[in-house]
Amino acid sequence: AQSVAQPEDQVNVAEGNPLTVKCTYSVSGNPYLFWYVQYPNRGLQFLLKYITGDNLVKGSYGFEAEFNKSQTSFHLKKPSALVSDSALYFCAVSASSGGSYIPTFGRGTSLIVHP
Amino acid sequence: SAVISQKPSRDICQRGTSLTIQCQVDSQVTMMFWYRQQPGQSLTLIATANQGSEATYESGFVIDKFPISRPNLTFSTLTVSNMSPEDSSIYLCSVGLAGGYNEQFFGPGTRLTVL
Repeated sequence: AQSVAQPEDQVNVAEGNPLTVKCTYSVSGNPYLFWYVQYPNRGLQFLLKYITGDNLVKGSYGFEAEFNKSQTSFHLKKPSALVSDSALYFCAVSASSGGSYIPTFGRGTSLIVHP
Repeated sequence: SAVISQKPSRDICQRGTSLTIQCQVDSQVTMMFWYRQQPGQSLTLIATANQGSEATYESGFVIDKFPISRPNLTFSTLTVSNMSPEDSSIYLCSVGLAGGYNEQFFGPGTRLTVL
């Protein structure tokens, strides 16, 4: 079975500072990895994904994520946080083979950016 | 990408009644998913609804309680039957292309409160 762990319920960062939201995964075969963001009272929005190729993936709103196969991690990063980045962030994994093509979502991490 | 609308956006219902949630997509899509989400928490997949076949339910969810229709490639409904307060949640519709490497697109959600 595939799974995703987001070890932090909440991440606090000051505006202008770099941010990291952590995600580790477990899957049979090669993973497909996703980050989604959910702003208050809204549905989830796709941010970025890793399928294959370059381990550093760039996405919407200045976010990027680095795929690390040896550590089975896919941490979300941004060099300079904005107050408007405050939201709930979900990591998800699906499998290319040997697992489910339907993504499994992590429990979510609440990002709070302080002015 | 796909634009998804859901109706109603919110409702307050009495226990023992049923509510049907509609999901409309602006393009034809193969896969549609129904999720449940407690505010600020992770997503729980209820079922996958592919056009032309019966919905596939996840463990803990049954067709009698959550009947799903998928009459065409742009529309689906989820009914929450014989509701109890435990059914109070946000219900999300999402769509995706075939293949685990494709991201999902989510509707804005239906916030259901059962009294």
